Amino acid sequence: SQTIHQWPATLVQPVGSPLSLECTVEGTSNPNLYWYRQAAGRGLQLLFYSVGIGQISSEVPQNLSASRPQDRQFILSSKKLLLSDSGFYLCAWTRDREAFFGQGTRLTVV
Amino acid sequence: AQSVTQLGSHVSVSEGALVLLRCNYSSSVPPYLFWYVQYPNQGLQLLLKYTTGATLVKGINGFEAEFKKSETSFHLTKPSAHMSDAAEYFCAVSERSSASKIIFGSGTRLSIRP
Repeated sequence: SQTIHQWPATLVQPVGSPLSLECTVEGTSNPNLYWYRQAAGRGLQLLFYSVGIGQISSEVPQNLSASRPQDRQFILSSKKLLLSDSGFYLCAWTRDREAFFGQGTRLTVV
Repeated sequence: AQSVTQLGSHVSVSEGALVLLRCNYSSSVPPYLFWYVQYPNQGLQLLLKYTTGATLVKGINGFEAEFKKSETSFHLTKPSAHMSDAAEYFCAVSERSSASKIIFGSGTRLSIRP
C-alpha cells in the first residue's frame, strides 16, 4: 500500500531563518506531488506541484521554492522566512486525480 | 481557469438535522469533483468523488453529493448530522484535460449543536 510521510510535524523558526520541509511517498512510482499551504481561517492554497523529477510548477510567487531530487521526494524550502510564511503545510500525491495527504507541518515564524 | 467557490465559511446545525454544504465550480468542461474532510491538525481525507456516470455520489460516513451540470454545483449533504461530523470540509476540482493540479475551495467549518 502507498503511504506518505511528512516531517517535521511542528516547527518554530525565527524570521529570516531558512526552511526545509520534506515529504516522501512509498509504494508508488512517478507520483504527482503537491505542496499546499493552509493559513489560519483560509482554505488550501496550491504552492507547487511536480509531475516528475526536476519538474516543478509554481502557482504563487513568493519566497518559497520546491525541489524534487528523487522520484518520491518533494522538498519545500526558503532561504529567509517571513512572518507571513506561518501556516499549516500539507504535502500530497495523487492517483487517478484523488489526492492523498500527509499529516501536515505546523510552521510558526516568530 | 478552474475555480471552486464554497458558500459559507461556517455552518452550524443541530445533531440529527440535515447537513448541506454548498460548492460551485467554474470549468470549461465538466471536471472531476471531490469533497474532502479535515479534522484538527490533520491532513485531508477523501469523502467522495465524481468522475463520470451517476451524478449522485455516495461517500463515507453517510455523506453524498450530487453533480448538477446545469447549476455547476456539487453540494454535499447528509440526512442526519452526528457530533463526530464536526470538521472542516473542502470541495475540490480537477480538470479532465489537465495532467495534474487539484484546486481546493476555501473550506466550510461544520459545527454540530447538541
